[in-house]
Amino acid sequence: GAVVSQHPSWVICKSGTSVKIECRSLDFQATTMFWYRQFPKQSLMLMATSNEGSKATYEQGVEKDKFLINHASLTLSTLTVTSAHPEDSSFYICSARGSAGGETYEQYFGPGTRLTVT
Amino acid sequence: AQSVTQLGSHVSVSEGALVLLRCNYSSSVPPYLFWYVQYPNQGLQLLLKYTTGATLVKGINGFEAEFKKSETSFHLTKPSAHMSDAAEYFCAVSRGYSTLTFGKGTMLLVSP
Repeated sequence: GAVVSQHPSWVICKSGTSVKIECRSLDFQATTMFWYRQFPKQSLMLMATSNEGSKATYEQGVEKDKFLINHASLTLSTLTVTSAHPEDSSFYICSARGSAGGETYEQYFGPGTRLTVT
Repeated sequence: AQSVTQLGSHVSVSEGALVLLRCNYSSSVPPYLFWYVQYPNQGLQLLLKYTTGATLVKGINGFEAEFKKSETSFHLTKPSAHMSDAAEYFCAVSRGYSTLTFGKGTMLLVSP
């Protein structure tokens, strides 16, 4: 199956700093990437959807100036948490989906990134 | 709008016993249905999916699920639980391969 990687897998940063998380599709071209947030013992919450070369579409209640998403290529999307605070500590998961000839394919999930803000 | 209800936040079984994790969905269009498994501090792994065709779907690790339109259900089963099956399981629904809507998850606990 298709492989999606995330880097880093675990990051600790100080309050007020910014941190960047990368999501890569390793063996397919991802026309769409999704970013999810997961709190402990809870389900995944979709934060935003990004299409290659376009601005991301954010879900209601997600601050787009705080969670900057860039999808500059068909294999890479980045999520930057700006001016991080302890309440931003969470597990962030990306997924990627390809498409061709007007047909879209299923999402493949990355392994997740654990962010801890101290 | 679509939604997923997973009955039971925790399910406990003994090793070797039948596993049944319940999922009911709501969708105004023919749904695509998915079951994912998540181990601690890891991403989601697809167990199985229903898109069209045969309503009984077999997945990895001996799991299967049956799409029942009349009951709007997609319950996950495994005949004999193994200790390694202990994990969080998520049911999800989508319209085609569009945005996924996840249930709240069910933690499967397997005792020896």
